[in-house]
Amino acid sequence: KQEVTQIPAALSVPEGENLVLNCSFTDSAIYNLQWFRQDPGKGLTSLLLIQSSQREQTSGRLNASLDKSSGRSTLYIAASQPGDSATYLCAVIGAGGGNKLTFGTGTQLKVEL
Amino acid sequence: EAGVVQSPRYKIIEKKQPVAFWCNPISGHNTLYWYRQNLGQGPELLIRYENEEAVDDSQLPKDRFSAERLKGVDSTLKIQPAELGDSAVYLCASSASRGSKTQYFGPGTRLLVL
Repeated sequence: KQEVTQIPAALSVPEGENLVLNCSFTDSAIYNLQWFRQDPGKGLTSLLLIQSSQREQTSGRLNASLDKSSGRSTLYIAASQPGDSATYLCAVIGAGGGNKLTFGTGTQLKVEL
Repeated sequence: EAGVVQSPRYKIIEKKQPVAFWCNPISGHNTLYWYRQNLGQGPELLIRYENEEAVDDSQLPKDRFSAERLKGVDSTLKIQPAELGDSAVYLCASSASRGSKTQYFGPGTRLLVL
C-alpha cells in the first residue's frame, strides 16, 4: 500500500526567505506526482504535476523535483510572500492505473511579515 | 468556465441523522471522485465514477455510505445514519477521461456531527 509522508508538518518563515518542502513515498511505481495548495475552508488547487519520466517542473517561484528511485520529491518556493501561507499537499498516482491520488498529510506554511 | 460545484458548503447535524452532499463536475468531465479529508490529514478517496459507473468504491463504508451518479453528470453522496467520526470535509473532484487527467477539486462540504 502506497504511503506518502510530508516533512515538516508545519513551517513558519519570514517573508523573502527561500524554502523547501519535502515529500516521500514508499512505492516508486508511480504514474505522476502532484503538489497542491489548500487554503483554509477551500478546496485544493493543483500547483505542479510531474510525470514519472520527468525530474522537475517549474511555475513562477515554484520548482518541484522528483527522484522516483528514492521515492522523494521536493517543492522549492523562492522569495516567499505572506500570500504563500497555506497548506501544501503532495499526492501520487500509482502506475497501476485508476487515477487514484494518494495524499500526504500536508505541510502547513506560514510566511510572516 | 465554472469549476466543480458542491453544496452545501457547511452542514451541522446530530448523530444518527441522515445527510447528503451534492456535486456538479466540470462540464465534459466523465470521471468524478469523492474524497474525505479528516482534520490535519490529506484527502482519502471514497469512490470514483466513470460516467455513471462506480469503478472504485473499495474505500466507501458501505454500511452507512451510498453514492449515485444516475445520469453520469452530477453526483450525490449520502450518509445514513451519521456518526461522530464522520465529521470531516467531503471533497468532490472531476477529470477528463483522456489527456492529462488532472483532477480539479471543488471547495468541499464541511460536516460536523454532534
